[in-house]
Amino acid sequence: QQPVQSPQAVILREGEDAVINCSSSKALYSVHWYRQKHGEAPVFLMILLKGGEQKGHDKISASFNEKKQQSSLYLTASQLSYSGTYFCGTDPPQGGSEKLVFGKGTKLTVNP
Amino acid sequence: DTEVTQTPKHLVMGMTNKKSLKCEQHMGHRAMYWYKQKAKKPPELMFVYSYEKLSINESVPSRFSPECPNSSLLNLHLHALQPEDSALYLCASSQSDGTNYGYTFGSGTRLTVV
Repeated sequence: QQPVQSPQAVILREGEDAVINCSSSKALYSVHWYRQKHGEAPVFLMILLKGGEQKGHDKISASFNEKKQQSSLYLTASQLSYSGTYFCGTDPPQGGSEKLVFGKGTKLTVNP
Repeated sequence: DTEVTQTPKHLVMGMTNKKSLKCEQHMGHRAMYWYKQKAKKPPELMFVYSYEKLSINESVPSRFSPECPNSSLLNLHLHALQPEDSALYLCASSQSDGTNYGYTFGSGTRLTVV
């Protein structure tokens, strides 16, 4: 079951904040976040496991709301290097399935 | 070494050719994956190897044949492909099976079938 990401695209000026959402119609065990720049491989940002935790990495953080079956990625004081397509990846509720399914992605453009 | 290395980076093959894609990692990861990615689309899972055994085959056509010779290597053998198989093929690895760990992706092989 593919997770749904929103928005599909967002354009920011350097220093602005953004939120990218990822939701599922089914219960989630874990949520992964990746960033892919044009012509490059996806790069792992963070993983959130069932338990509603929040994680941070520099000025990028994420939350996981198990009850709402959704996760949000927060980009604070965006930098030019944040540009790329962000994918969330989810797996079935039983976990441990090795089957990570990616959302369609959110294209983030940060302009000077 | 924190990389997944894929070769070749680019491949053009005819519909009657046989070719192989290679993937290597030396991080001690025990799970390895093949994903297919079309332009402006998310990666789509093809195969999962866990501890060198095929654990997931996402109903991929038999013209794609995976192989895991050892814990560091993953191959994808290609035969009689169709033009619609043209895509970026990504290899990834993770520390163990399950989705408790992030995936490290290789830079991919851009395949064109003519």
